[in-house]
Parts: sequence; C-alpha cells; structure tokens
Amino acid sequence: EAGVTQFPSHSVIEKGQTVTLRCDPISGHDNLYWYRRVMGKEIKFLLHFVKESKQDESGMPNNRFLAERTGGTYSTLKVQPAELEDSGVYFCASSHFGQASNEQFFGPGTRLTVL
Amino acid sequence: GNSVTQMEGPVTLSEEAFLTINCTYTATGYPSLFWYVQYPGEGLQLLLKATKADDKGSNKGFEATYRKETTSFHLEKGSVQVSDSAVYFCALSSIKAAGNKLTFGGGTRVLVKP
Repeated sequence: EAGVTQFPSHSVIEKGQTVTLRCDPISGHDNLYWYRRVMGKEIKFLLHFVKESKQDESGMPNNRFLAERTGGTYSTLKVQPAELEDSGVYFCASSHFGQASNEQFFGPGTRLTVL
Repeated sequence: GNSVTQMEGPVTLSEEAFLTINCTYTATGYPSLFWYVQYPGEGLQLLLKATKADDKGSNKGFEATYRKETTSFHLEKGSVQVSDSAVYFCALSSIKAAGNKLTFGGGTRVLVKP
C-alpha cells in the first residue's frame, strides 16, 4: 500500500510568487492534516480535513494560505503571495476517521524556500 | 493551550550508549502521547505511543512511559546503534471524536557515532 506522497519535494521561489503544494493521502483515510516546520523549530499544525470538509483551520497563519481537498482525495495548499517567513518544510499526514489516538501517517514533506 | 517541551539537541552518543530524551507536556484533559522519528531524507514515522496514564509504549528497543503526575513522556533506549541517528519529536493529541491535531515539541537531533 502506498504511503502519503507529497509533491514537489523541494520548491524555491521568489517573494511575491505563488506556490502550490500537493498531498496524496493513503487511500481510504478520511482525515488529512497539514503541518509545517519553520527554521528548525517545532512542527506546527495548520489545518485538518475530514473528507472534503475543513474540520479545523485554526493553525493557518493568514489569508495568503489556501487549502483545498476537492472530492475528499488529494489536497493542495497554495501560498499566494509567498513571503520570506513562509520558508520551511510542509508536512502532510493522513489517518483513519474515528479513534482519537489513531496514528497519523506522514509524507516526506515539501521543503519550501522563499528568496 | 497544549504544549510540548523536549530537550534541545544535538545529542551525540557513542554506539551502545544509553539514550534519554526528556519530554514534558501541558494539556487539558487526557491526551494521547507520541514519539515520532525522522530519519535523514525521510518523513516522520510513529515510533511509539501511549494513550493513558502509566501506559508504556515500546518499539525497536525504545520505551516511554506516560507519567501523568509529572506530565512527562521521556524516551529511552538502552543501547543505541548508528542507525538510530535521527530527529526525534515528542507530540500529544487533543482528544476529539473525529480525529485530532498533533502538538509537537521542537525535536531533538540524535547522532550516534561508531
């Protein structure tokens, strides 16, 4: 069974440009999460989808970030326009719906560098 | 709100040494506790977890015990190998019915030398 995949693995863009990150969760996982790690600090929660619905987007830093999960399968995270402080590693994770202690399976992350 | 504090690294050890990474947390209610590991070039993998007080999670020789009285979940391994070199993250989850977000500590880089 394929794990969580993310694309691209690396992205280097200039300030003011737009970038779209993609996450493909494990098939059958209704929960999908986005996290990011900035400058070697702690990994922080961004938002949580249950199927195509946003369950919790309390971690989204501002309205330059837009996440979608059309059809409840893959998800995209768009940053527009990108700022220097958006640089970091963006992780996606997925899990089964239901139990609070369900393991979240993480993708390898997308390393975003904004110059 | 919830928070996790873990010892800063890097931690450098020799092979077969004893490893301890301290982790303490602040949370309302009764969270589940996790240790995730990130090996070089890979994503985060769940190493072990504990869902209630006094539970002990274990995997690959690593252990951690959920201590509610000290709000701690320290990670230990009795004899590390070079292959244990990685970044270790302590995390907790808020208890919700539909799934839950993880709150992470800052990560501890461990380097094991032969």
